[in-house]
Amino acid sequence: SQQGEEDPQALSIQEGENATMNCSYKTSINNLQWYRQNSGRGLVHLILIRSNEREKHSGRLRVTLDTSKKSSSLLITASRAADTASYFCATDRGGGTSYGKLTFGQGTILTVHP
Amino acid sequence: DTGVSQNPRHKITKRGQNVTFRCDPISEHNRLYWYRQTLGQGPEFLTYFQNEAQLEKSRLLSDRFSAERPKGSFSTLEIQRTEQGDSAMYLCASSLEMLAGGLAKNIQYFGAGTRLSVL
Repeated sequence: SQQGEEDPQALSIQEGENATMNCSYKTSINNLQWYRQNSGRGLVHLILIRSNEREKHSGRLRVTLDTSKKSSSLLITASRAADTASYFCATDRGGGTSYGKLTFGQGTILTVHP
Repeated sequence: DTGVSQNPRHKITKRGQNVTFRCDPISEHNRLYWYRQTLGQGPEFLTYFQNEAQLEKSRLLSDRFSAERPKGSFSTLEIQRTEQGDSAMYLCASSLEMLAGGLAKNIQYFGAGTRLSVL
């Protein structure tokens, strides 16, 4: 079963605009990760944020985590047509043999128009 | 190319047939994961290995599914007596876990997947 939900399900913007995607989850976590998937392909890791962190940056990506609300957001600044893809959040609950098992959200489909 | 490799990329089979998929992880990675993804959904965890040991299996993995990683390198996922509901993309991922100290991260590297169509 999916860990939580992502919002919005689809997002359409113009090149140069910022894109914000949100993720909610249900259980306590060790870390939360964001992955990108181009149509029909495998997933590519973008960024990881640990449960004791509140914000991380990587290039044009900014991730926030609010463990009290069990939510995270991914901001892509100055978007490009090449950013068009599906974006998934994934949680790692940690603990014993469950550590490393990722539970994915349903994803946000981002379309960036040139 | 030293990424995760999955074969075949596509598989079309008739209901009731058995199929086997192969995954070759990144060579130094000790963990290997299998996920299933249906259209419009995120990947769902099936099972994972640490070296050759299968540590966890999802309840999604019925008795018709079996996975092996005999020498802690490549892995196979077999589906027996396929059903139309098995049609999906099967994704493999690998990661390097630091088992003795260090700050484990569990960043997983995914293959391109095997798309299964059961007719």
